[in-house]
Amino acid sequence: DGGITQSPKYLFRKEGQNVTLSCEQNLNHDAMYWYRQDPGQGLRLIYYSQIVNDFQKGDIAEGYSVSREKKESFPLTVTSAQKNPTAFYLCASSLDFYNEQFFGPGTRLTVL
Amino acid sequence: RKEVEQDPGPFNVPEGATVAFNCTYSNSASQSFFWYRQDCRKEPKLLMSVYSSGNEDGRFTAQLNRASQYISLLIRDSKLSDSATYLCVVNLISNFGNEKLTFGTGTRLTIIP
Repeated sequence: DGGITQSPKYLFRKEGQNVTLSCEQNLNHDAMYWYRQDPGQGLRLIYYSQIVNDFQKGDIAEGYSVSREKKESFPLTVTSAQKNPTAFYLCASSLDFYNEQFFGPGTRLTVL
Repeated sequence: RKEVEQDPGPFNVPEGATVAFNCTYSNSASQSFFWYRQDCRKEPKLLMSVYSSGNEDGRFTAQLNRASQYISLLIRDSKLSDSATYLCVVNLISNFGNEKLTFGTGTRLTIIP
């Protein structure tokens, strides 16, 4: 089955700890994205990558970091510098930057 | 003006009724348009792309009005299972020539039995 996987589904961390969220796709898509969604809010773009070994900041990149060492993988690290990290994190991919995006099931991060 | 703007609703519609949403966008050069559906606490899923000539998929019809810079989604014979938040997505081009897909905040629809 082709698709996007994110793990874990739920994640709890203590304040001040860094945490890395996993995103893997086997759709052979070049572009990958990370979004954050807060209750009752729209999607906000954190980082995106159009190709391996390249990524760009989105609208709310502060306190986050990413890497794109493999085409299939685009992990997101939520650092202790992110002031309000509790949210629903969604990873997406697309064939290229102009096509429709397909989403993973998301990770709900709660920082205690 | 927001780059992509939707009426947040909620729209409470009786089962079997027809409902329509609009979404306005700010950049006249936009070329790609989509409607997504998001169920509560789930990921968004592509509902349909929006083509210049308009397109239909079963009970769903999408239209593009370039002159007025909006897209629309029409749902006929609404079902209980249509209850969800509908997200409008547009590719926006910045002053620097960069493109990115931008999501609206969504319109919440509840179908009432």
